[in-house]
Amino acid sequence: AQSVSQHNHHVILSEAASLELGCNYSYGGTVNLFWYVQYPGQHLQLLLKYFSGDPLVKGIKGFEAEFIKSKFSFNLRKPSVQWSDTAEYFCAVNPGQAGTALIFGKGTTLSVSS
Amino acid sequence: EPEVTQTPSHQVTQMGQEVILRCVPISNHLYFYWYRQILGQKVEFLVSFYNNEISEKSEIFDDQFSVERPDGSNFTLKIRSTKLEDSAMYFCASRLRGGNTEAFFGQGTRLTVV
Repeated sequence: AQSVSQHNHHVILSEAASLELGCNYSYGGTVNLFWYVQYPGQHLQLLLKYFSGDPLVKGIKGFEAEFIKSKFSFNLRKPSVQWSDTAEYFCAVNPGQAGTALIFGKGTTLSVSS
Repeated sequence: EPEVTQTPSHQVTQMGQEVILRCVPISNHLYFYWYRQILGQKVEFLVSFYNNEISEKSEIFDDQFSVERPDGSNFTLKIRSTKLEDSAMYFCASRLRGGNTEAFFGQGTRLTVV
């Protein structure tokens, strides 16, 4: 069965620190990859997505992620976090076929102190 | 910006009662989903719906669950006889089409079964 692993359960950083959240998936075929963010009390919002092409994708709010096919990874990065980045971050994967559901990782809680 | 809306935001029900969670997907979207998130756990896929029928469902989506698109706008999740373990946040999502498109999520309905 497909699965998504997020290595960090809770990350605590100071403002201006760099961030990298790990995500690995198990699926051998073509995949679409996503990072969603959930701010406290809000719904899931898309940070960035990868469908094909350049494996380094840029999203909103200065986030980026790199797809490394050989490592089945899609790690999320941000060079300098802000207090407002405090949220829960979810990696999600789905096969490239039409309409198939997203499979989510367990999420990483990011706490940024000012 | 178009959004997925869910009602109610919070529902408390007694064990054994039926509940209906409602969602209005984005109007031109074709794929609809229900996910749930038990407190402290990951977002889990329940069911996907396309062309007026279930296209995919998970092991969680047993006979106690059903979905319906009763008119052109609403998409509902019914739990026939709720159990304590059904307590969770339920998210509705929609996608314009399958494959290389992102899913848009509603704000969720927190279901508490007592």
